[in-house]
Amino acid sequence: DAKTTQPPSMDCAEGRAANLPCNHSTISGNEYVYWYRQIHSQGPQYIIHGLKNNETNEMASLIITEDRKSSTLILPHATLRDTAVYYCIVRGHSGGGADGLTFGKGTHLIIQP
Amino acid sequence: EPEVTQTPSHQVTQMGQEVILRCVPISNHLYFYWYRQILGQKVEFLVSFYNNEISEKSEIFDDQFSVERPDGSNFTLKIRSTKLEDSAMYFCATSGSQAQNYYSNQPQHFGDGTRLSIL
Repeated sequence: DAKTTQPPSMDCAEGRAANLPCNHSTISGNEYVYWYRQIHSQGPQYIIHGLKNNETNEMASLIITEDRKSSTLILPHATLRDTAVYYCIVRGHSGGGADGLTFGKGTHLIIQP
Repeated sequence: EPEVTQTPSHQVTQMGQEVILRCVPISNHLYFYWYRQILGQKVEFLVSFYNNEISEKSEIFDDQFSVERPDGSNFTLKIRSTKLEDSAMYFCATSGSQAQNYYSNQPQHFGDGTRLSIL
């Protein structure tokens, strides 16, 4: 799976949009971009994933550049409960659905009141 | 929303003892996984399980570890002869709803983990 690079930490004001960048310049054609977050010591929580089109769900939006070498997770109206470590993960599917996820250190997003 | 349930939430065990961690997957999911996270470190993949056999395992998953789904519902991780360095949070995850046509790009959903403390 391709390696990802994320800033170690970011701040965002409550109520503003939080934009979390991720670089995955070695991504290959069949690899998806997944975003998870981990609040304190809870289990990682799935947020969103995509292949090449932009995606939106009730939690966030995912913007993937046309060359697929980077992406941005957008939390449109950040709240204090969005303070967490956010992981950008690139995952292929050569093993079918059984591929494990490779977590990096992620971005520690701190929402300021 | 369906959840992955893990028990116990905290397990304290003497070094050298065997421990079994349990996970109840989301109903109708086909793929099962175990991960661990040592305090202050990254989440690490251990093993994936599909169709009643191991599909993929990491270097961490050595002969000390085993997984099974004995009754078709619970998915278990057994750690034999525990060591101090096995102390960690262990997370179960599941994916691949039978209700979907294409399983492999479906996201994994995690439980809240079992904190394993080896004394």
